[in-house]
Amino acid sequence: AQRVTQPEKLLSVFKGAPVELKCNYSYSGSPELFWYVQYSRQRLQLLLRHISRESIKGFTADLNKGETSFHLKKPFAQEEDSAMYYCALSYDTGNQFYFGTGTSLTVIP
Amino acid sequence: GAGVSQTPSNKVTEKGKYVELRCDPISGHTALYWYRQSLGQGPEFLIYFQGTGAADDSGLPNDRFFAVRPEGSVSTLKIQRTERGDSAVYLCASSWDSYNEQFFGPGTRLTVL
Repeated sequence: AQRVTQPEKLLSVFKGAPVELKCNYSYSGSPELFWYVQYSRQRLQLLLRHISRESIKGFTADLNKGETSFHLKKPFAQEEDSAMYYCALSYDTGNQFYFGTGTSLTVIP
Repeated sequence: GAGVSQTPSNKVTEKGKYVELRCDPISGHTALYWYRQSLGQGPEFLIYFQGTGAADDSGLPNDRFFAVRPEGSVSTLKIQRTERGDSAVYLCASSWDSYNEQFFGPGTRLTVL
């Protein structure tokens, strides 16, 4: 069963434009949601998690339980934001993590 | 400090052979995860260790896959009778516990010919 869906494989935006990377999940319990990012030739790393409610590098994500979504947003995209972004879900036990298929973001100068 | 390391970085083997992939987590991290990432896909959960024990191995695809973490630090993922479909990047991640940020290693690219 696909627990995390990222509908866009590729996304291109111009520098300075707003960007939204979509993530929908299917889980009826209390999930923990994360966004991980992988920059070119670097390791996968945590960008943000919903329980911390932080803004990291200008990115925010709000958990919408009604729509089962956790979209990642940034009002003004920068070239250094170009990377692969993965949405991930963990059950409240923290034992298992499920990743989406990822969205490759390209910010055009 | 040193991050998560994985060896080898690349492994090429023939169908039917046995392989071992090693993960050195960050010192002090009790939680350790193995994932498999096929081309164009996100990481797929395989197994989770808390300390020395496999707290959840529900992601292992079949009994050819096995992982150990005998002293609660280094972990080895073992694949018997490899098949071409096992070709993927195998990722390891560690964290202080299951509720904290996971730190990923660089991965081992396994190619089964």
